[in-house]
Amino acid sequence: DTAVSQTPKYLVTQMGNDKSIKCEQNLGHDTMYWYKQDSKKFLKIMFSYNNKELIINETVPNRFSPKSPDKAHLNLHINSLELGDSAVYFCASSQADEQYFGPGTRLTVT
Amino acid sequence: LAKTTQPISMDSYEGQEVNITCSHNNIATNDYITWYQQFPSQGPRFIIQGYKTKVTNEVASLFIPADRKSSTLSLPRVSLSDTAVYYCLVGDGYGNKLVFGAGTILRVKS
Repeated sequence: DTAVSQTPKYLVTQMGNDKSIKCEQNLGHDTMYWYKQDSKKFLKIMFSYNNKELIINETVPNRFSPKSPDKAHLNLHINSLELGDSAVYFCASSQADEQYFGPGTRLTVT
Repeated sequence: LAKTTQPISMDSYEGQEVNITCSHNNIATNDYITWYQQFPSQGPRFIIQGYKTKVTNEVASLFIPADRKSSTLSLPRVSLSDTAVYYCLVGDGYGNKLVFGAGTILRVKS
């Protein structure tokens, strides 16, 4: 009965590749997010979607493209991966300020 | 966006009460104060949220003075399992303005 799930949990890939991370929530929430947590543990919001519409798009390279096929899913596609993209990516959902986070996807770019 | 300032780290012993203070000098009238807890290799988890005065739940208390420019998370009788990073955030209650700061690393020792 996982509330927010992400796949894969670990992702190791080479520079220049394109990869996707999937996120699903079964909480019926209207808003979903993608966060990036770097090696210094700073948690930065990347995108926020409300009812499949983009609400927040922080300063991230356009190589990152979120896609929300329905309210319960928010996937993250990354083109032309770079070494600096290595981080843990968290998906979250909320109805208000209480956000429910997924387990994270550790992306390693070599 | 309202920024927050917290101590980088704190040490405590089992059974003690721990108070972590957060400064948010430019908090807006509509902003709520929310605290999250993050264990290693997991996503952040909601602890408590408040607007003013005092809020208490089964795990923590949140004290907010009248000027709301700071708040204090109080953890009663901490245990080793409370070792984690604690984040203080301010937001408008709709999840659209949340900014995670660097957080406070709490280390509980036996």
